[in-house]
Amino acid sequence: EAQVTQNPRYLITVTGKKLTVTCSQNMNHEYMSWYRQDPGLGLRQIYYSMNVEVTDKGDVPEGYKVSRKEKRNFPLILESPSPNQTSLYFCASSFERAQETQYFGPGTRLLVL
Amino acid sequence: GNSVTQMEGPVTLSEEAFLTINCTYTATGYPSLFWYVQYPGEGLQLLLKATKADDKGSNKGFEATYRKETTSFHLEKGSVQVSDSAVYFCALALNTNAGKSTFGDGTTLTVKP
Repeated sequence: EAQVTQNPRYLITVTGKKLTVTCSQNMNHEYMSWYRQDPGLGLRQIYYSMNVEVTDKGDVPEGYKVSRKEKRNFPLILESPSPNQTSLYFCASSFERAQETQYFGPGTRLLVL
Repeated sequence: GNSVTQMEGPVTLSEEAFLTINCTYTATGYPSLFWYVQYPGEGLQLLLKATKADDKGSNKGFEATYRKETTSFHLEKGSVQVSDSAVYFCALALNTNAGKSTFGDGTTLTVKP
């Protein structure tokens, strides 16, 4: 089944404790992206990747890192999480670029205390 | 910069009522336009899209027409069902920046029997 998977689905952590949210897709897509969803703010793009080793900032990259060492994986790294990063995070992928249909993962709900 | 403005919610309708969710955009260039739907507890999925002016996207009884002159992409459905209850996101992606994607704030629709 074609899908985007994220792990973990739920995470509670404390300020400053490094964490990684994994994202993997099995559709051989070149484009992958991370978003955060907050009440009243909709979806905001954090980082995106056009291909392996090619990443770029979205609208809200501060406090986040990403890497794209393999085509299928696009982990989101929070080196020193803060409470304002409490949010619902979505990973998405598409064949080549954002102008095509994006396929979203189920989401990761993060609470930073 | 680019932006998407959606009609504020929440929207509550009775079954079989007519639905309109307004979406207007600001973009430098010629965007592709999308409506995504998010059912409770799930990730987003594409509902419909249009890639150029005057295109009409349609799916599952929903329609939206790309209006360049009014920079709009309003979502409509003639007769809603309880199963249409969800959050609807309007989004754009520019051909001139293959990675960037901009979403609206989302509109919550509740359909009552």
